Amino acid sequence: DVQLVESGGGLVEAGGSLRLSCTASGFTLTNAWMSWVRQAPGKGPEWVGRLTAKAEGGTKHYAAPVEGRFSVSRDESTNTLYLQMSSLKSDDTGVYFCITSTIPGAWDSWGQGTLVTVSS
Amino acid sequence: EIVLTQSPATLSLSPGERATLSCRASQTISNYFAWYQQKPGQAPRLLIHGVSNRATGIPARFSGSGSGTDFTLTISSLEPEDFAVYYCQHNTNWPHTFGGGTKVEIK
Repeated sequence: DVQLVESGGGLVEAGGSLRLSCTASGFTLTNAWMSWVRQAPGKGPEWVGRLTAKAEGGTKHYAAPVEGRFSVSRDESTNTLYLQMSSLKSDDTGVYFCITSTIPGAWDSWGQGTLVTVSS
Repeated sequence: EIVLTQSPATLSLSPGERATLSCRASQTISNYFAWYQQKPGQAPRLLIHGVSNRATGIPARFSGSGSGTDFTLTISSLEPEDFAVYYCQHNTNWPHTFGGGTKVEIK
């Protein structure tokens, strides 16, 4: 079974940095499309970044609010996805989910999420 | 960026009633369109993909339809566990976006 487990969230001051991890099991992360999605308290989900499968170029895309501040990467040896976040703002507060797509055009596996709180 | 507008924001219904949720896109989108259900404290769960295909384990009372810019999620007869927030989402291009959500609450 596909399983995604996020970690690394916590409380950080505005302007600070944080790195989130997503440990994948049940599939090879390199072969999958992966994304980070976040959800602010009481709001709907919002895309953060996407990483295509290695065979499709491993292309990275970022949402406008995080472009230049966030970076998605993966470690093949540990089957782990990362989200490096810097210059954090209070608007970055929320639960961050690691998700993957095994169905074309849909994101069917989600982690439980990790909470990031940016204090101003 | 494609904007998805969901209506209504809140739907107040009783168990056993039919729920019809709408999602309108700001421009024509592909069939890479999905619906998700979210309950408090949980991650969203995929319900429908490819406009009308139920995800694994999703009951037949959930159905999706639509094309172009207008899409619908129908729950034929609400069960107690269906009261939740529902989001539409497209994968036509980047950035992928979610709608603002429809909360289905118990009347």
